[in-house]
Amino acid sequence: QQNVQQSPESLIVPEGARTSLNCTFSDSASQYFWWYRQHSGKAPKALMSIFSNGEKEEGRFTIHLNKASLHFSLHIRDSQPSDSALYLCAVNTGYQNFYFGKGTSLTVIP
Amino acid sequence: DMKVTQMPRYLIKRMGENVLLECGQDMSHETMYWYRQDPGLGLQLIYISYDVDSNSEGDIPKGYRVSRKKREHFSLILDSAKTNQTSVYFCASSLGGSAETLYFGSGTRLTVL
Repeated sequence: QQNVQQSPESLIVPEGARTSLNCTFSDSASQYFWWYRQHSGKAPKALMSIFSNGEKEEGRFTIHLNKASLHFSLHIRDSQPSDSALYLCAVNTGYQNFYFGKGTSLTVIP
Repeated sequence: DMKVTQMPRYLIKRMGENVLLECGQDMSHETMYWYRQDPGLGLQLIYISYDVDSNSEGDIPKGYRVSRKKREHFSLILDSAKTNQTSVYFCASSLGGSAETLYFGSGTRLTVL
């Protein structure tokens, strides 16, 4: 069974900082990778996805994937207080079952 | 407007009572999911439904059953609820296929006393 781990568990950064969140997975057959963001008391919402090795940028957010290292990451440039949330990584091996990490709690201080 | 709707938002039940959680989506998505979220454990898959009457157990199906009689509606049933089923339950849907995004409902916070 897929084992998805996130680090760090929590993070406090000042407004404007660059933030990095990490996710490792155990199944080398994994094909599809997401980051979801969940504000307090709300539903998780998809933020970004990547399906091949490399980097993908959307606005202030960049996702890196290295399948050989079983690792992908999310980088937030110019972090804002509105980015404060629980960030969940998710991995899919191709059978529609999404395995989620336990999350990284991000707090951005004004 | 793409939406996944869960009812009720909050529910308090006594141990041994039956519980029905309901989920609807207006996107004609084939695949629907039930997850539970607990502090320190993340999102755990209870059941996945690939279409009407085509349901499959997830990682933690014990104590739960599901029903999907219409594509847009997916129910989670707890027969004789237990205190360890206190949790936040999320329904999600997707177009189907592993490369598709999950769309989540707002969740039901269930407390079993």
